[in-house]
Amino acid sequence: QTVVTQEPSFSVSPGGTVTLTCGLSSGSVSTNYYPSWYQQTPGQAPRTLIYNTNTRSSGVPDRFSGSILGNKAALTITGAQADDESDYYCMLSMGFGSWVFGGGTKLTVL
Amino acid sequence: EVQLVESGGGLIQPGGSLRLSCAASGFTVSSNYMNWVRQAPGKGLEWVSVLYGGGDTYYADSVKGRFTISRDTSKNTLYLQMNSLRVEDTAIYYCARLESKRKGLDPWGQGTLVTVSS
Repeated sequence: QTVVTQEPSFSVSPGGTVTLTCGLSSGSVSTNYYPSWYQQTPGQAPRTLIYNTNTRSSGVPDRFSGSILGNKAALTITGAQADDESDYYCMLSMGFGSWVFGGGTKLTVL
Repeated sequence: EVQLVESGGGLIQPGGSLRLSCAASGFTVSSNYMNWVRQAPGKGLEWVSVLYGGGDTYYADSVKGRFTISRDTSKNTLYLQMNSLRVEDTAIYYCARLESKRKGLDPWGQGTLVTVSS
């Protein structure tokens, strides 16, 4: 069974840049997986940040960007702010009516 | 306004059944890929099931054969019938729209908590 991998935790300084990744236990992530990224703060429903690899959802600041880096999908936050401290999840379309989330990355801004 | 509102969660004993509802407004459920996603306490997101606009249904292996996704077009509402519930099904259950396979899940409902415990 394919597992979607993410860094369990990451920290970034205010104003800094951080790149979170989303990989596969077997194989490479490509645009054909239509990677999407979600931000979740405690007690809240997830919020869509990025879909179709690199398209920002409505209202999402342009400091959030998506891409494919090597064999993984990536979410880059440029100029991190305190309220970016959240859990971040990627989701991949595995085909045949199946989607899989990564385990999530807990981002600390300090 | 495009919105989803879940209901139907609660405390249920292992082996029991529960039906969750997700009322949609601002768009038509039957024209989209409608999903259920769950999150166990302190854990990550887990995709559970999808209902295509054309009626096809798909499930995660963890719920296949026990859960059934459906919709009522007259009420513009999505459902998740959960049978043979297990302790490990305890989670917040969110419904979410997927406009197309290229799009992300948006919007999300506020979630409804299901607790399976004796």
